[in-house]
Amino acid sequence: DAKTTQPTSMDCAEGRAANLPCNHSTISGNEYVYWYRQIHSQGPQYIIHGLKNNETNEMASLIITEDRKSSTLILPHATLRDTAVYYCIVRVGGGTSYGKLTFGQGTILTVHP
Amino acid sequence: EAQVTQNPRYLITVTGKKLTVTCSQNMNHEYMSWYRQDPGLGLRQIYYSMNVEVTDKGDVPEGYKVSRKEKRNFPLILESPSPNQTSLYFCASSSRTSGRNEQFFGPGTRLTVL
Repeated sequence: DAKTTQPTSMDCAEGRAANLPCNHSTISGNEYVYWYRQIHSQGPQYIIHGLKNNETNEMASLIITEDRKSSTLILPHATLRDTAVYYCIVRVGGGTSYGKLTFGQGTILTVHP
Repeated sequence: EAQVTQNPRYLITVTGKKLTVTCSQNMNHEYMSWYRQDPGLGLRQIYYSMNVEVTDKGDVPEGYKVSRKEKRNFPLILESPSPNQTSLYFCASSSRTSGRNEQFFGPGTRLTVL
């Protein structure tokens, strides 16, 4: 699975959009970009995933650059409960969810009042 | 409610005393796995199971055993725990057939081996 690079930490004001970047310059054509988050030592939680098109669900939006070498997770209206570690994971298989997830260090997002 | 449960949530034990951490899911998932999380090392996979009676090693299997006798349960066994197994453990499950793309994680078990 391709390696990802994320900033160590980011801050965001409550109610504003949080934009979390991820670099995955060695991504292969059959690899998907997944985002998970972990709130204070709880189990990681799936957020969203995509291959090359932008994706949106009830939690977030995922913007993938045209060359697929980087992506941005967008939380449109961050709340205090969005304070967490966000993991960008690149792996083969968007049609199936099973298989090892390789977690890096992630980005610590702190949402301030 | 669809969920993955783990027991116990917290455990303090002594070196060499066999223990089992249970994991159960109610979503009829085929795939289950165990991770450990340590500061600076992130989450690492210990063992996984593709289905009943099918298990395989992950990245850090030494010192651990698993079994998958029933589809819903995937216990993690430490036959002779050592202090370097002090960690936060997570069980996860996912479906091979539902088309959903997420893995579901349990709440975690914090283990301290003295």
